[in-house]
Amino acid sequence: KQEVTQIPAALSVPEGENLVLNCSFTDSAIYNLQWFRQDPGKGLTSLLLIQSSQREQTSGRLNASLDKSSGRSTLYIAASQPGDSATYLCAVSAGAGNNRKLIWGLGTSLAVNP
Amino acid sequence: DTGVSQDPRHKITKRGQNVTFRCDPISEHNRLYWYRQTLGQGPEFLTYFQNEAQLEKSRLLSDRFSAERPKGSFSTLEIQRTEQGDSAMYLCASSIRTGSGANVLTFGAGSRLTVL
Repeated sequence: KQEVTQIPAALSVPEGENLVLNCSFTDSAIYNLQWFRQDPGKGLTSLLLIQSSQREQTSGRLNASLDKSSGRSTLYIAASQPGDSATYLCAVSAGAGNNRKLIWGLGTSLAVNP
Repeated sequence: DTGVSQDPRHKITKRGQNVTFRCDPISEHNRLYWYRQTLGQGPEFLTYFQNEAQLEKSRLLSDRFSAERPKGSFSTLEIQRTEQGDSAMYLCASSIRTGSGANVLTFGAGSRLTVL
């Protein structure tokens, strides 16, 4: 059974720091992995999607990497800003287009302090 | 089209009442999903539509829950005889398959249900 774990559960950093959020999964047979952002009381925003054949994806100050063999993904945020404060969730998909079978982590709550 | 819209954003109801949530997906997205999220947890899949066809329902969706997407555009999620355990954020998402084969989800802001 696939399980997704995110460490740390919460993180507080000063503005400007580079930081890494971790996501691990127990079954390496994934189709893709997605990183989402959720602001308090709001829905989720898709940040990056990495296909199983890819090693990383980049969008602006965000870089996500994927190591299937070790069951790990990291989300790197460069030069963090207070506006980055949110909960970051990762989710893995077991099959093609299989968003109904996404397995979610519990998220990392990030606070970037001015 | 500014994204996925959900209405109402927050509903407070008494136990036993019926509630209905509406989701308007991105217009060109043929796939629509409902998820439920409780505090501190990840989203749980409830049901999925491709166009107007409801292709899958989670076992989490009891007989009190029903979802429709009559014309393949907007969708409604109705909960009958609400219970306190139904209190959660109900998230709608839509997607369309990209050229790479991925279905990138776009979520709405959610409808928060509080059952007193």
